[in-house]
Amino acid sequence: GAVVSQHPSWVICKSGTSVKIECRSLDFQATTMFWYRQFPKQSLMLMATSNEGSKATYEQGVEKDKFLINHASLTLSTLTVTSAHPEDSSFYICSARPLGGGGTEAFFGQGTRLTVV
Amino acid sequence: DAKTTQPPSMDCAEGRAANLPCNHSTISGNEYVYWYRQIHSQGPQYIIHGLKNNETNEMASLIITEDRKSSTLILPHATLRDTAVYYCIVREDNNDMRFGAGTRLTVKP
Repeated sequence: GAVVSQHPSWVICKSGTSVKIECRSLDFQATTMFWYRQFPKQSLMLMATSNEGSKATYEQGVEKDKFLINHASLTLSTLTVTSAHPEDSSFYICSARPLGGGGTEAFFGQGTRLTVV
Repeated sequence: DAKTTQPPSMDCAEGRAANLPCNHSTISGNEYVYWYRQIHSQGPQYIIHGLKNNETNEMASLIITEDRKSSTLILPHATLRDTAVYYCIVREDNNDMRFGAGTRLTVKP
């Protein structure tokens, strides 16, 4: 199957600093990428939809100025958590959907565990 | 706002078939049924998807009822490595993928 790579796999940062997470589709092009957040023992919650070359669409309750998303190419999207605080500690997961229709499945990265201390 | 209902947990004996049900009574004609699973601290893994017909691949089989209001994911010979949370998702072709609570499957020796 198609491969989506996230980097880093885990990161620890100090409160008030910013952290950038990369999501790459390694063997396919993706016009749309999705960012999710998952707290312990909970399901994945969609944060935003990222379209190549345009602004991301954020879900209700997700601060667009805090979670900056850039999708500059068909194979790369980045999520920057700005001025991170301990409550932002979570498991962040991206997914990418290959070009094409007919019920195309989305592929997920391995996730990034963010710990803010 | 997931459109699916799944039992919160299920157990299965190793080597036996695991049958995971999913209700999606409000599914529309152009929505697909997708199944993913998530092993602890990993990203979700695609399993299978279908629209109307039953589907089978190397991982599992997907049985969709004729009225499409429910489906069953079948793992024919469950192993301990199949222990995971299984998510049933319905979505239109180019829409985003939203997760419900899923079913925590525990395969026991």
